[in-house]
Amino acid sequence: EDQVTQSPEALRLQEGESSSLNCSYTVSGLRGLFWYRQDPGKGPEFLFTLYSAGEEKEKERLKATLTKKESFLHITAPKPEDSATYLCAVQIKGGADGLTFGKGTHLIIQP
Amino acid sequence: DAGITQSPRHKVTETGTPVTLRCHQTENHRYMYWYRQDPGHGLRLIHYSYGVKDTDKGEVSDGYSVSRSKTEDFLLTLESATSSQTSVYFCAISDRVTDEQYFGPGTRLTVT
Repeated sequence: EDQVTQSPEALRLQEGESSSLNCSYTVSGLRGLFWYRQDPGKGPEFLFTLYSAGEEKEKERLKATLTKKESFLHITAPKPEDSATYLCAVQIKGGADGLTFGKGTHLIIQP
Repeated sequence: DAGITQSPRHKVTETGTPVTLRCHQTENHRYMYWYRQDPGHGLRLIHYSYGVKDTDKGEVSDGYSVSRSKTEDFLLTLESATSSQTSVYFCAISDRVTDEQYFGPGTRLTVT
């Protein structure tokens, strides 16, 4: 069974305190791995797509990396506005065309 | 929200009544999706469409039907709403060039 597990479920950091969020996946065949940010009461906002092990993508204070079993979202020197729920999702080769999501990591950055 | 609107944004309905949610896009993307989001489950795929009149089931399709008569509109219908269908429903679109999916603002549905 295809599965996506995110950890931790919640994370509280001080402003400027760097950390990483984990997304581990067990799938029959990976077509792509996606990271989204979701603010309360809003739809998920696309951040990154990763397709193969070793790939990295960066955007401002965020960097996403991918291995054959997991992905990390590294947050460097976060600011309070980075507070959100971060969602990881996979698209399966040969499967239904949608995304399979993890339950998310709720990130709080305290000033 | 990448040119995606959902209507209504909030709805309260009674058990057993039919409900239709609408997703409208202005991006001319071929692929459209319906997801539901519930605490403890994350987002789950209900149905998706890969073109006008072309649809397929997702992970949690029981109790839902969809229709797509125009590229820009994708309708989700609950034929007889149940309390277990209380959820937040999100529509997403994709052009499949990049596989990225872009989400709408969501519809919060409460079935009493």
